[in-house]
Amino acid sequence: DLVLTQTPLSLSVTPGQPASISCKSSESLLHSDGKTYLYWYLQKPGQPPRLLISEVSSRFSGVPDRFSGSGSGTYFTLKISRVEAEDVGVYHCMQSIELPITFGQGTRLEIK
Amino acid sequence: EVQLVQSGGGLVQPGGSLRLSCEASGFSFSSYWMSWVRQTPGKGLEWVANVRQEGSEKYYVDSVKGRFTISRDDTKNSLYLQMNSLRVEDTAVYYCATLPGWWGQGTLVTVSS
Repeated sequence: DLVLTQTPLSLSVTPGQPASISCKSSESLLHSDGKTYLYWYLQKPGQPPRLLISEVSSRFSGVPDRFSGSGSGTYFTLKISRVEAEDVGVYHCMQSIELPITFGQGTRLEIK
Repeated sequence: EVQLVQSGGGLVQPGGSLRLSCEASGFSFSSYWMSWVRQTPGKGLEWVANVRQEGSEKYYVDSVKGRFTISRDDTKNSLYLQMNSLRVEDTAVYYCATLPGWWGQGTLVTVSS
């Protein structure tokens, strides 16, 4: 199975400061159709995951522009330009280039 | 507004069965692949199964093959997961989802004697 490894597993950020989370894949997520099937989610306590970023860098509907995604092949990054209190929760990356669909371990973000 | 409203779940003994349901609204359900994903504190998020439009293709994670069956009824905008021969390790919160986009609220399945 394709393995996604997130780093760090937790981070504490002062409001207004940037944050960055990495997701490394055991195989390339670039499909022959030219798309890269890597996604980012934020999950708040007691809630389902909420899609933030599709296909590496496309913000989903309603996602603030302080969230951005980048990367290619096997290495991807989610960046928050200025962390706000509402950004706390667990961030997950997910790949769907092959079955089984797999997720990273999750990265917990807290506010200092 | 897109909604995926789940029902079913609960406490069941090992070896027992449960059926989860997920009713969709606010989008063209019949046009989407649909999935079930589960979450445990220990293993995180785990994709369980998905089904193509019209139910023409179905795929499962190895650990549930032969025990779980995913199905859909496009006339009712509904997705189902029939879970048989349940094991303690199937205990999790189960979500229906139109991966990657929209997720249901989740339903807890507890397998315990």
